[in-house]
Amino acid sequence: EPEVTQTPSHQVTQMGQEVILRCVPISNHLYFYWYRQILGQKVEFLVSFYNNEISEKSEIFDDQFSVERPDGSNFTLKIRSTKLEDSAMYFCASRIAGGLGEQFFGPGTRLTVL
Amino acid sequence: GDSVTQMEGPVTLSEEAFLTINCTYTATGYPSLFWYVQYPGEGLQLLLKATKADDKGSNKGFEATYRKETTSFHLEKGSVQVSDSAVYFCALSAQGAQKLVFGQGTRLTINP
Repeated sequence: EPEVTQTPSHQVTQMGQEVILRCVPISNHLYFYWYRQILGQKVEFLVSFYNNEISEKSEIFDDQFSVERPDGSNFTLKIRSTKLEDSAMYFCASRIAGGLGEQFFGPGTRLTVL
Repeated sequence: GDSVTQMEGPVTLSEEAFLTINCTYTATGYPSLFWYVQYPGEGLQLLLKATKADDKGSNKGFEATYRKETTSFHLEKGSVQVSDSAVYFCALSAQGAQKLVFGQGTRLTINP
């Protein structure tokens, strides 16, 4: 069964450093998303991406964040200068065109900013 | 804006007990509704969904009915197992929107 994969599973970085979180969505999906979950809190939407551009973003997704689909398979989230409060689990999700809004999630990358 | 409210957790039950996790929502139009489950150390998995009023989603013995009149999508299971221990998230996707809006999650622990 096809699945969304994410790498790395855990990333530790120093405050102020840049990190890139990687995702490989399901191959025939056209909509891509990033969410985050701070420990013990709800899952929060960051950004959605379709047709090589951002289609929606939340207030959390400020200038420190960017997304890219550098090739036909990867979807990345970059944080330019990490802050302590960026420590969270980051989930990538994808969905097929049309459909019923059903998104398929990856296992997540736990980002720890020291 | 759109929002989802779930019953406060954690919830602890004995095996074979009946489970209800309440979920209510606020949204304009006709959102799609979802329950996702997060097992320890894993990502989110879609458990069930419903896309219009009175639809019933079901999977693995879990059920939820889309009630527009009460703006609710309560999750139920008749007889829980230890393996159902997880965090359950109610979520909506507003009509025409891209993102999922999640509730705060309910941690469920089933004791043998």
